[in-house]
Amino acid sequence: DAMVIQNPRYQVTQFGKPVTLSCSQTLNHNVMYWYQQKSSQAPKLLFHYYDKDFNNEADTPDNFQSRRPNTSFCFLDIRSPGLGDAAMYLCATSRALSGRGTDTQYFGPGTRLTVL
Amino acid sequence: GEDVEQSLFLSVREGDSSVINCTYTDSSSTYLYWYKQEPGAGLQLLTYIFSNMDMKQDQRLTVLLNKKDKHLSLRIADTQTGDSAIYFCAENLGGYQKVTFGIGTKLQVIP
Repeated sequence: DAMVIQNPRYQVTQFGKPVTLSCSQTLNHNVMYWYQQKSSQAPKLLFHYYDKDFNNEADTPDNFQSRRPNTSFCFLDIRSPGLGDAAMYLCATSRALSGRGTDTQYFGPGTRLTVL
Repeated sequence: GEDVEQSLFLSVREGDSSVINCTYTDSSSTYLYWYKQEPGAGLQLLTYIFSNMDMKQDQRLTVLLNKKDKHLSLRIADTQTGDSAIYFCAENLGGYQKVTFGIGTKLQVIP
């Protein structure tokens, strides 16, 4: 009964070789988030989708893109990974609440990205 | 501004109580959360508290909120080795993107 699923759990890519990370959810939540978490640091929000509306954080590098083809799936594309992009990438979902923001965020298990 | 602070490390003996503390700066926070992260895993929601509450208890977990001091704590009773993990405090200001995490407190449980 997994609710937020991320594939793959571990991804190895080469410097500069595009990579795509996948997230899917069975919760039917309308908001989906991508976070980057480096070792011993707090998760850092990269961007989120509110339904089809994409919202980028101001300091997210252009190297990071996202797609949400439908409610259930969201992808993180790293166009030209650098060594500094090695991290855990966490997907989360939440339900928007009318007039008062969103409900609790539920996280997937994460994808550990290694850049060689 | 928004800033969530936690101590980095806590060590307790199995069977003792653990208390993990967190301070936040934004008094308009509406929800405050505790997440648990085991090695190599994602974040697991442990519990949360609304800003109009002082305390919430859920089995071995007790959350205390002091809004005046902007202080949040998580008490784990009868701590077990399986509780060893990193615990993140987080606040939600009510906007759908504004969840700010602390750096996490690593809890080590000594058998």
